[in-house]
Amino acid sequence: DGGITQSPKYLFRKEGQNVTLSCEQNLNHDAMYWYRQDPGQGLRLIYYSQIVNDFQKGDIAEGYSVSREKKESFPLTVTSAQKNPTAFYLCATKRMRDTDNEQFFGPGTRLTVL
Amino acid sequence: DAKTTQPTSMDCAEGRAANLPCNHSTISGNEYVYWYRQIHSQGPQYIIHGLKNNETNEMASLIITEDRKSSTLILPHATLRDTAVYYCIVRRGGGTSYGKLTFGQGTILTVHP
Repeated sequence: DGGITQSPKYLFRKEGQNVTLSCEQNLNHDAMYWYRQDPGQGLRLIYYSQIVNDFQKGDIAEGYSVSREKKESFPLTVTSAQKNPTAFYLCATKRMRDTDNEQFFGPGTRLTVL
Repeated sequence: DAKTTQPTSMDCAEGRAANLPCNHSTISGNEYVYWYRQIHSQGPQYIIHGLKNNETNEMASLIITEDRKSSTLILPHATLRDTAVYYCIVRRGGGTSYGKLTFGQGTILTVHP
């Protein structure tokens, strides 16, 4: 069935290590997004991509990198340059053809850096 | 995108209507009002959106005031599973918009038996 897959649900890493979070979708949506959520806070946009091989920085891109080699996939790498990487990471997708429509969110990955 | 103001928390009895207010006094003519909710430790879920007319779907109703400076999300018969954080978001529409959603802290709705 259609949807957005983020794996794993929980991820632990040692400080100083890069880690890549997976986001896969089979909704055939053009746009994909990465958000970060800290406890008790709303979501903040990290990166977004409207088409394959193109992406733009969001509000808090420092310490993160992305790639969009396929329409279905938008992996996020949390680098050692990210000062406070422990957070809940959410991937979202959206159609771009319609005049206005909603974003669909994945189940999220909770990253803990020890 | 316009800023929104929501109460921090609200309570509602199961089976009753939950009315969640949102102020967006700086909204501009081409900005839509969106509502999402987030159940604990899950991704946000789209509920409804509108521009200036009232909207209804299987989940909720959205009432937008005539001056569009505020709106109310109505869950007609709240259940325990409706306990969540509800986000009111205002953003530009249009197919060329990259669709950025600016989430505030939202309203924590607690539905009790």
